[in-house]
Amino acid sequence: AQKVTQAQTEISVVEKEDVTLDCVYETRDTTYYLFWYKQPPSGELVFLIRRNSFDEQNEISGRYSWNFQKSTSSFNFTITASQVVDSAVYFCALSVYNQGGKLIFGQGTELSVKP
Amino acid sequence: EPEVTQTPSHQVTQMGQEVILRCVPISNHLYFYWYRQILGQKVEFLVSFYNNEISEKSEIFDDQFSVERPDGSNFTLKIRSTKLEDSAMYFCASSGDFQETQYFGPGTRLLVL
Repeated sequence: AQKVTQAQTEISVVEKEDVTLDCVYETRDTTYYLFWYKQPPSGELVFLIRRNSFDEQNEISGRYSWNFQKSTSSFNFTITASQVVDSAVYFCALSVYNQGGKLIFGQGTELSVKP
Repeated sequence: EPEVTQTPSHQVTQMGQEVILRCVPISNHLYFYWYRQILGQKVEFLVSFYNNEISEKSEIFDDQFSVERPDGSNFTLKIRSTKLEDSAMYFCASSGDFQETQYFGPGTRLLVL
């Protein structure tokens, strides 16, 4: 069975601090995909990044960066110089090949960035 | 930028009533999904749909639920006899392929009284 664990339920930081959101996944499949989605207070789910299991290269997009490590089954997300607009719930998700695209979500981490 | 749309944004219904939630996926996408999120909890997969057939469904998706693509643009989720525990936000999503990124609609908040 597959599982995604986001151990941090809530994180609170002050603006301009860096913050890392942890994600640990479990699967026995060798072909899988990892995602991060952002859910702002308005409630929609906003796609941030997709990674496949064969690509461990880290990615940076502006203030956002992602660290994928298969050795520890982790796909962590770092926000550099956080801003108030980053306040949201962030979900990590896993999709395994040949399961109809089913996304398995973690519990989410609620990030609060205070001015 | 193309986006997934959902109607209604909110629906209140009485227990035992049937509800139909509607979604218009991104136009060139062929794979469609429904998820739900009970307030304050994680997002849960309900069903995936391709080529007019269910591809995968979760244990939540029991006989009370059904999905349909009634025409070339809409994708619907029907709950035949709603229960209190069906109260949740229901998200529709679509993708170009099962392994590609799923883009979500804004959700329909269903409240069963």
